[in-house]
Amino acid sequence: ETGVTQSPTHLIKTRGQQVTLRCSSQSGHNTVSWYQQALGQGPQFIFQYYREEENGRGNFPPRFSGLQFPNYSSELNVNALELDDSALYLCASSPPESYEQYFGPGTRLTVT
Amino acid sequence: GQQVMQIPQYQHVQEGEDFTTYCNSSTTLSNIQWYKQRPGGHPVFLIQLVKSGEVKKQKRLTFQFGEAKKNSSLHITATQTTDVGTYFCAGPRGNYGQNFVFGPGTRLSVLP
Repeated sequence: ETGVTQSPTHLIKTRGQQVTLRCSSQSGHNTVSWYQQALGQGPQFIFQYYREEENGRGNFPPRFSGLQFPNYSSELNVNALELDDSALYLCASSPPESYEQYFGPGTRLTVT
Repeated sequence: GQQVMQIPQYQHVQEGEDFTTYCNSSTTLSNIQWYKQRPGGHPVFLIQLVKSGEVKKQKRLTFQFGEAKKNSSLHITATQTTDVGTYFCAGPRGNYGQNFVFGPGTRLSVLP
C-alpha cells in the first residue's frame, strides 16, 4: 500500500510568484487536508477537501486555494507569495468514515 | 477562536525516566488525536480518543482523555532514545468535525 506522497520535496520561489504543490492521497482515502507548519510550531490547518469539494477552511487568505481531483489527489496553490509563506506544507489523507490523518513527507517552500 | 495548548514546550529526560505531556482545549472536544513528529520528519498518527475519561495504552505509551473532554495527556514510561521527537495533540475545529486544530507540541529530548 502506497502512503501519502507530495511533490516537490523542496522549492525556492521569489516574493510575488505563484506556486503549486501536489499531494497523492493514500489508496482508498477520500479526504485530503492541507497544513502549513512553520519552524518549531504545530501544523496550521489551511483547508480540507472531501469528494472534490472544500470541506472547511482555516484562517488563510484567499490567495491560498486548492483542488481535489476524481482520484482524490490534491493541489495547493498559493498566489502572490510572501516571505512569511516560507514553511513546510503538509498534506494528510483520511480514509472514509475515519478522522485519522496520514501525513505525507511535506514540501519545504522557501520564499526569498 | 478555539485554542489548543500544550505543556511543557520542551522536556529533557534521561533515558529510562518517565515523560508526560499535557494538552488543554478552550472548548469541549468530541475527540482528540495525538501525533509524533521526529526531527526532520512529518507527523505520524498515534491514537484517537473519543470517550470521556478514556484511557488507552500502546506499549509504553498511555493516553488519557479528561472527564470534561477538554484535556488530555500522553505519558511515556521508561523513555528510550527512539522516543525523541515532538508530540502534538489535535482537536476538531468548531463544527467541522474533520478539520483539526493542532497544539504547539512538546519537544522531547532523551539523553542516553
